[in-house]
Amino acid sequence: SAVISQKPSRDICQRGTSLTIQCQVDSQVTMMFWYRQQPGQSLTLIATANQGSEATYESGFVIDKFPISRPNLTFSTLTVSNMSPEDSSIYLCSVGWNRAYEQYFGPGTRLTVT
Amino acid sequence: RKEVEQDPGPFNVPEGATVAFNCTYSNSASQSFFWYRQDCRKEPKLLMSVYSSGNEDGRFTAQLNRASQYISLLIRDSKLSDSATYLCVVNLNTGNQFYFGTGTSLTVIP
Repeated sequence: SAVISQKPSRDICQRGTSLTIQCQVDSQVTMMFWYRQQPGQSLTLIATANQGSEATYESGFVIDKFPISRPNLTFSTLTVSNMSPEDSSIYLCSVGWNRAYEQYFGPGTRLTVT
Repeated sequence: RKEVEQDPGPFNVPEGATVAFNCTYSNSASQSFFWYRQDCRKEPKLLMSVYSSGNEDGRFTAQLNRASQYISLLIRDSKLSDSATYLCVVNLNTGNQFYFGTGTSLTVIP
Protein backbone atom coordinates (compact mmCIF):
# COMPACT_ATOMS: atom_id res chain seq x y z
CA SER A 1 0.00 0.00 0.00
CA ALA A 2 0.98 3.66 0.17
CA VAL A 3 0.52 6.68 2.40
CA ILE A 4 -1.63 9.21 0.58
CA SER A 5 -2.34 12.73 1.71
CA GLN A 6 -4.72 15.32 0.33
CA LYS A 7 -4.87 19.05 0.83
CA PRO A 8 -7.06 20.72 1.82
CA SER A 9 -9.04 18.27 3.91
CA ARG A 10 -12.09 20.51 3.63
CA ASP A 11 -13.06 23.88 2.29
CA ILE A 12 -16.04 26.15 1.93
CA CYS A 13 -15.97 28.13 -1.28
CA GLN A 14 -18.10 30.72 -2.97
CA ARG A 15 -19.92 30.11 -6.20
CA GLY A 16 -17.88 31.01 -9.27
CA THR A 17 -14.47 30.48 -7.67
CA SER A 18 -12.01 27.62 -8.22
CA LEU A 19 -10.30 25.26 -5.81
CA THR A 20 -7.21 23.15 -6.41
CA ILE A 21 -6.88 19.90 -4.48
CA GLN A 22 -3.50 18.27 -4.05
CA CYS A 23 -2.75 14.57 -3.75
CA GLN A 24 0.68 13.43 -2.56
CA VAL A 25 1.88 9.83 -2.30
CA ASP A 26 4.88 8.66 -0.31
CA SER A 27 6.12 6.37 -3.10
CA GLN A 28 6.04 6.27 -6.87
CA VAL A 29 2.83 4.86 -8.27
CA THR A 30 1.85 3.93 -11.77
CA MET A 31 -1.73 5.11 -11.68
CA MET A 32 -3.52 7.99 -10.02
CA PHE A 33 -7.25 8.61 -10.19
CA TRP A 34 -9.70 11.27 -9.07
CA TYR A 35 -13.16 10.37 -7.81
CA ARG A 36 -16.17 12.27 -6.56
CA GLN A 37 -18.53 10.99 -3.91
CA GLN A 38 -21.73 12.92 -3.41
CA PRO A 39 -23.68 12.61 -0.18
CA GLY A 40 -25.18 9.17 0.29
CA GLN A 41 -23.84 7.91 -3.02
CA SER A 42 -21.02 5.74 -4.22
CA LEU A 43 -17.86 6.83 -5.97
CA THR A 44 -17.80 8.20 -9.48
CA LEU A 45 -14.56 8.26 -11.43
CA ILE A 46 -13.78 11.73 -12.77
CA ALA A 47 -10.53 11.00 -14.59
CA THR A 48 -7.22 9.20 -14.66
CA ALA A 49 -4.25 11.46 -14.07
CA ASN A 50 -1.54 10.59 -16.59
CA GLN A 51 2.03 11.52 -15.84
CA GLY A 52 3.37 13.94 -18.38
CA SER A 53 0.26 14.04 -20.55
CA GLU A 54 -3.37 15.09 -20.48
CA ALA A 55 -5.72 13.32 -18.12
CA THR A 56 -8.25 10.81 -19.41
CA TYR A 57 -11.76 11.95 -18.50
CA GLU A 58 -14.83 9.84 -17.98
CA SER A 59 -18.13 10.56 -19.64
CA GLY A 60 -19.74 13.64 -18.15
CA PHE A 61 -16.49 15.24 -16.99
CA VAL A 62 -14.48 17.75 -19.03
CA ILE A 63 -11.05 19.30 -18.77
CA ASP A 64 -12.33 22.86 -18.64
CA LYS A 65 -14.30 22.10 -15.49
CA PHE A 66 -11.84 19.69 -13.85
CA PRO A 67 -8.29 20.40 -15.04
CA ILE A 68 -5.82 17.86 -13.72
CA SER A 69 -2.06 17.89 -13.49
CA ARG A 70 0.36 15.09 -12.79
CA PRO A 71 3.93 16.35 -13.05
CA ASN A 72 5.53 13.22 -11.58
CA LEU A 73 4.81 9.76 -10.18
CA THR A 74 3.96 10.93 -6.65
CA PHE A 75 1.84 14.04 -7.08
CA SER A 76 -1.34 15.19 -8.78
CA THR A 77 -3.76 18.08 -8.55
CA LEU A 78 -7.44 18.39 -9.40
CA THR A 79 -8.99 21.82 -9.87
CA VAL A 80 -12.72 22.33 -9.57
CA SER A 81 -13.39 25.40 -11.71
CA ASN A 82 -16.19 27.96 -11.68
CA MET A 83 -17.85 26.15 -8.80
CA SER A 84 -21.57 25.87 -8.22
CA PRO A 85 -23.42 24.34 -5.26
CA GLU A 86 -23.81 21.14 -7.32
CA ASP A 87 -20.04 20.65 -7.01
CA SER A 88 -20.38 20.20 -3.25
CA SER A 89 -19.00 16.74 -2.69
CA ILE A 90 -16.09 14.73 -1.38
CA TYR A 91 -13.20 14.50 -3.83
CA LEU A 92 -10.88 11.54 -3.44
CA CYS A 93 -7.65 10.62 -5.11
CA SER A 94 -6.62 7.01 -5.39
CA VAL A 95 -3.46 5.25 -6.51
CA GLY A 96 -2.56 1.89 -7.94
CA TRP A 97 0.27 -0.02 -9.55
CA ASN A 98 -1.57 -2.10 -12.11
CA ARG A 99 -4.96 -1.96 -13.74
CA ALA A 100 -5.79 -5.39 -12.37
CA TYR A 101 -4.92 -4.61 -8.80
CA GLU A 102 -6.54 -2.77 -5.96
CA GLN A 103 -6.58 0.99 -5.49
CA TYR A 104 -5.77 2.87 -2.32
CA PHE A 105 -7.56 6.07 -1.44
CA GLY A 106 -6.51 9.34 0.06
CA PRO A 107 -8.51 10.78 2.98
CA GLY A 108 -10.62 12.96 0.71
CA THR A 109 -11.38 16.66 0.42
CA ARG A 110 -14.81 17.75 1.59
CA LEU A 111 -15.94 20.68 -0.55
CA THR A 112 -18.95 22.86 0.17
CA VAL A 113 -19.92 25.52 -2.34
CA THR A 114 -22.19 28.29 -1.14
CA ARG B 1 -28.58 -1.79 -16.05
CA LYS B 2 -25.94 -0.86 -13.52
CA GLU B 3 -22.51 -2.44 -13.81
CA VAL B 4 -22.49 -3.39 -10.13
CA GLU B 5 -25.51 -3.81 -7.88
CA GLN B 6 -25.68 -4.22 -4.15
CA ASP B 7 -28.49 -4.41 -1.66
CA PRO B 8 -28.15 -1.09 0.18
CA GLY B 9 -29.52 -2.56 3.42
CA PRO B 10 -29.35 -1.48 6.13
CA PHE B 11 -28.40 -4.74 7.75
CA ASN B 12 -28.78 -4.54 11.52
CA VAL B 13 -27.35 -7.58 13.25
CA PRO B 14 -26.48 -8.44 16.86
CA GLU B 15 -22.92 -8.90 17.99
CA GLY B 16 -21.68 -12.38 17.27
CA ALA B 17 -24.00 -12.93 14.33
CA THR B 18 -22.96 -14.05 10.88
CA VAL B 19 -23.95 -11.80 8.00
CA ALA B 20 -23.51 -12.14 4.26
CA PHE B 21 -23.65 -9.60 1.46
CA ASN B 22 -23.98 -10.30 -2.23
CA CYS B 23 -23.02 -8.14 -5.14
CA THR B 24 -23.91 -8.81 -8.77
CA TYR B 25 -22.06 -7.53 -11.81
CA SER B 26 -23.31 -7.25 -15.35
CA ASN B 27 -20.19 -7.61 -17.49
CA SER B 28 -18.98 -11.17 -17.86
CA ALA B 29 -15.57 -9.85 -18.96
CA SER B 30 -14.91 -8.51 -15.46
CA GLN B 31 -11.56 -9.72 -14.20
CA SER B 32 -10.82 -8.36 -10.73
CA PHE B 33 -13.08 -8.08 -7.73
CA PHE B 34 -12.71 -6.34 -4.40
CA TRP B 35 -14.53 -5.51 -1.21
CA TYR B 36 -13.87 -2.13 0.38
CA ARG B 37 -15.05 -0.86 3.73
CA GLN B 38 -16.05 2.77 4.18
CA ASP B 39 -16.68 4.29 7.58
CA CYS B 40 -18.82 7.37 7.90
CA ARG B 41 -17.03 10.46 6.55
CA LYS B 42 -13.89 8.46 5.76
CA GLU B 43 -12.28 7.16 2.61
CA PRO B 44 -12.84 3.59 1.36
CA LYS B 45 -10.29 1.12 2.64
CA LEU B 46 -9.49 -2.15 0.95
CA LEU B 47 -10.91 -5.06 2.89
CA MET B 48 -10.24 -7.98 0.56
CA SER B 49 -9.42 -8.84 -2.99
CA VAL B 50 -11.63 -11.65 -4.24
CA TYR B 51 -9.92 -14.51 -5.99
CA SER B 52 -11.57 -17.09 -8.18
CA SER B 53 -10.94 -19.81 -5.62
CA GLY B 54 -12.41 -17.74 -2.82
CA ASN B 55 -10.37 -16.42 0.05
CA GLU B 56 -10.55 -16.00 3.77
CA ASP B 57 -9.02 -13.48 6.14
CA GLY B 58 -9.88 -14.14 9.76
CA ARG B 59 -13.61 -13.63 10.20
CA PHE B 60 -14.09 -12.51 6.60
CA THR B 61 -14.65 -14.81 3.64
CA ALA B 62 -15.05 -13.68 0.04
CA GLN B 63 -16.40 -15.83 -2.77
CA LEU B 64 -16.66 -15.36 -6.51
CA ASN B 65 -19.27 -17.08 -8.66
CA ARG B 66 -18.47 -16.34 -12.29
CA ALA B 67 -21.31 -18.44 -13.67
CA SER B 68 -23.91 -16.38 -11.82
CA GLN B 69 -21.83 -13.20 -11.89
CA TYR B 70 -21.82 -12.37 -8.24
CA ILE B 71 -19.39 -12.00 -5.40
CA SER B 72 -20.16 -12.41 -1.74
CA LEU B 73 -18.73 -11.32 1.58
CA LEU B 74 -19.35 -13.31 4.74
CA ILE B 75 -18.60 -11.85 8.15
CA ARG B 76 -18.59 -14.26 11.07
CA ASP B 77 -18.80 -13.38 14.75
CA SER B 78 -19.71 -9.75 14.00
CA LYS B 79 -18.09 -7.05 16.13
CA LEU B 80 -19.37 -3.57 16.86
CA SER B 81 -16.36 -2.28 14.93
CA ASP B 82 -17.61 -4.02 11.78
CA SER B 83 -20.34 -1.36 11.48
CA ALA B 84 -19.63 0.41 8.18
CA THR B 85 -20.64 0.53 4.55
CA TYR B 86 -19.23 -2.28 2.42
CA LEU B 87 -18.50 -1.44 -1.20
CA CYS B 88 -18.26 -4.02 -3.94
CA VAL B 89 -15.81 -3.11 -6.72
CA VAL B 90 -15.41 -4.76 -10.10
CA ASN B 91 -12.63 -4.12 -12.58
CA LEU B 92 -12.66 -4.97 -16.25
CA ASN B 93 -8.86 -4.61 -16.40
CA THR B 94 -9.18 -2.62 -19.59
CA GLY B 95 -8.96 1.13 -19.67
CA ASN B 96 -9.72 2.51 -16.26
CA GLN B 97 -12.94 0.69 -15.66
CA PHE B 98 -13.28 0.28 -11.93
CA TYR B 99 -16.95 0.08 -11.07
CA PHE B 100 -18.18 0.72 -7.54
CA GLY B 101 -21.41 -0.54 -6.08
CA THR B 102 -23.51 1.85 -4.04
CA GLY B 103 -22.58 0.02 -0.85
CA THR B 104 -24.31 -2.08 1.78
CA SER B 105 -24.77 -0.55 5.21
CA LEU B 106 -24.07 -2.77 8.21
CA THR B 107 -24.79 -1.90 11.82
CA VAL B 108 -23.77 -4.35 14.51
CA ILE B 109 -25.88 -3.92 17.62
CA PRO B 110 -24.67 -4.69 21.16
